[in-house]
Amino acid sequence: RKEVEQDPGPFNVPEGATVAFNCTYSNSASQSFFWYRQDCRKEPKLLMSVYSSGNEDGRFTAQLNRASQYISLLIRDSKLSDSATYLCVVHQGGKLIFGQGTELSVKP
Amino acid sequence: DTGVSQDPRHKITKRGQNVTFRCDPISEHNRLYWYRQTLGQGPEFLTYFQNEAQLEKSRLLSDRFSAERPKGSFSTLEIQRTEQGDSAMYLCASSPSRGFQETQYFGPGTRLLVL
Repeated sequence: RKEVEQDPGPFNVPEGATVAFNCTYSNSASQSFFWYRQDCRKEPKLLMSVYSSGNEDGRFTAQLNRASQYISLLIRDSKLSDSATYLCVVHQGGKLIFGQGTELSVKP
Repeated sequence: DTGVSQDPRHKITKRGQNVTFRCDPISEHNRLYWYRQTLGQGPEFLTYFQNEAQLEKSRLLSDRFSAERPKGSFSTLEIQRTEQGDSAMYLCASSPSRGFQETQYFGPGTRLLVL
């Protein structure tokens, strides 16, 4: 079993749709949690950190459930520019453990 | 540009050759990390440095791989006797050393193709 597992993709949605990504992690000792975004053939870039209380950044909302070892990302009113691969990431002992990523394609 | 830089951006080599990649971290960052990413997968941790000390190596880092950070600034990753399975994007990241929860900032990567 992979340490970080994400929904398989790709997700193809129309502009304006709401889309949710789910992720589970296996190591309860994981220290912190993130969503990274990766555009095609580019490096991953931090989208947002994920806190136990849940946090929001504009159209993006992240949730963490430590008891269930579950992380989510909700994108509201999706834009064409949101098309990318979204990587669920946990921080363990100094290193980042990435999920395999979920590809999102937003269509006009 | 004060971000993480990597050189070269692309490398094509023949099986059996040695290759070396360089990473220059953000100047005030003490921690430097190497990851490898293959098509359709997320990046996988290889190794990391705190200043010049190499603190952890993944079991993915076979004895053909060696990483150095001799003066605690830039780092090199060398792959000896390359194999086709080494074809991947090699990503470098850096972070400040104010705790392990600091965000890691990635460079643009070196894309390696072994023929």
